[in-house]
Amino acid sequence: DTAVSQTPKYLVTQMGNDKSIKCEQNLGHDTMYWYKQDSKKFLKIMFSYNNKELIINETVPNRFSPKSPDKAHLNLHINSLELGDSAVYFCASSHASGTASRQFFGPGTRLTVL
Amino acid sequence: SQKIEQNSEALNIQEGKTATLTCNYTNYSPAYLQWYRQDPGRGPVFLLLIRENEKEKRKERLKVTFDTTLKQSLFHITASQPADSATYLCALSRSNDYKLSFGAGTTVTVRA
Repeated sequence: DTAVSQTPKYLVTQMGNDKSIKCEQNLGHDTMYWYKQDSKKFLKIMFSYNNKELIINETVPNRFSPKSPDKAHLNLHINSLELGDSAVYFCASSHASGTASRQFFGPGTRLTVL
Repeated sequence: SQKIEQNSEALNIQEGKTATLTCNYTNYSPAYLQWYRQDPGRGPVFLLLIRENEKEKRKERLKVTFDTTLKQSLFHITASQPADSATYLCALSRSNDYKLSFGAGTTVTVRA
């Protein structure tokens, strides 16, 4: 009965490959997010979807493409992986009813690009 | 550009003492300020939210203050326990904005 789940938990791949990370939430939330946490532990927003509509799109290389098939899922596809993409990627969700909503985070996906 | 600074990267304290963490911001007018806890290898977990018109919020042994004049929030853990050892993140958001901007975090270690 995990609230926000991500797969895989670990991802090791070669430079130039394409990979996807999946996220699902069973909280009934309308809004989902992707964050990147680098080696200095700094957590930075990448994207957010509200009811399958993109509402936040930070300055992220267009090799990163989020996809929300329904409001319970938000996947992240990364093309042509680079060494600098190595980080922990967190999915999160929140109610859309208020911008004061707390966010619920998944366990993270540690991506290592060799 | 906006900046959110958590003034200590690491804080080591003795069990039973009060830990005080700071979160300062510049070039930002947040309507809400949140504090999260992150344990190694896990995602952040929400602790407290305080609004710009609130001065103080408490939850069990946790207390948060929000001073919009000083542009600062203080986060206190009273009667600290080794189980409180974790990284604590502050996060700000504006009114009508889903985007949360996080500080870099302060790692607290409570010694038994």
